[in-house]
Amino acid sequence: EPEVTQTPSHQVTQMGQEVILRCVPISNHLYFYWYRQILGQKVEFLVSFYNNEISEKSEIFDDQFSVERPDGSNFTLKIRSTKLEDSAMYFCASSDGGLIFSGNTIYFGEGSWLTVV
Amino acid sequence: RKEVEQDPGPFNVPEGATVAFNCTYSNSASQSFFWYRQDCRKEPKLLMSVYSSGNEDGRFTAQLNRASQYISLLIRDSKLSDSATYLCVVTLLPSQGAQKLVFGQGTRLTINP
Repeated sequence: EPEVTQTPSHQVTQMGQEVILRCVPISNHLYFYWYRQILGQKVEFLVSFYNNEISEKSEIFDDQFSVERPDGSNFTLKIRSTKLEDSAMYFCASSDGGLIFSGNTIYFGEGSWLTVV
Repeated sequence: RKEVEQDPGPFNVPEGATVAFNCTYSNSASQSFFWYRQDCRKEPKLLMSVYSSGNEDGRFTAQLNRASQYISLLIRDSKLSDSATYLCVVTLLPSQGAQKLVFGQGTRLTINP
């Protein structure tokens, strides 16, 4: 089965440092996403990306966050100056089409645990 | 009001029991509906889509009531391996671009031997 891969699986960083989380979406997918889940809380949408630009972003995705597709395979999430409250699991996901329904599944990566100390 | 609201749980049931989860969503424009399963510190995994006509996949039955904005999941003959958090998920059609998934808080289920 195709899979979305994420690196690193776990990162500890000091408050104020920049962090880049990397993702390799499924090769023929066109839509890419980042979600996050703070420990004990629900999974929350951060941003969607299509055709080399942000498609939609949530209120969480402020100026400290950015996404990039630097080459044909990677999709990155950058947090410029991390805060304690950025500690969470960050999930990358991809899909073939923009409409999510039973015939068009969204695939999640295994996540990157970010701990800000 | 929360966009997607689920039974808080946790549910602790013996192996072989039948367990039911409920979920309500606030946005009547929600497009698609799903149940996901999430194991501890793992990614959400699609369990099944939910249709108005009701659908079944083995021991799992899902139902959608659009008029009441209510979604349910029934697990029959529960197995130890069913222990997980079950996430109710809906999609909204954005003004442009891709749909996003809106997750409920999740209901934790533990099946006891």
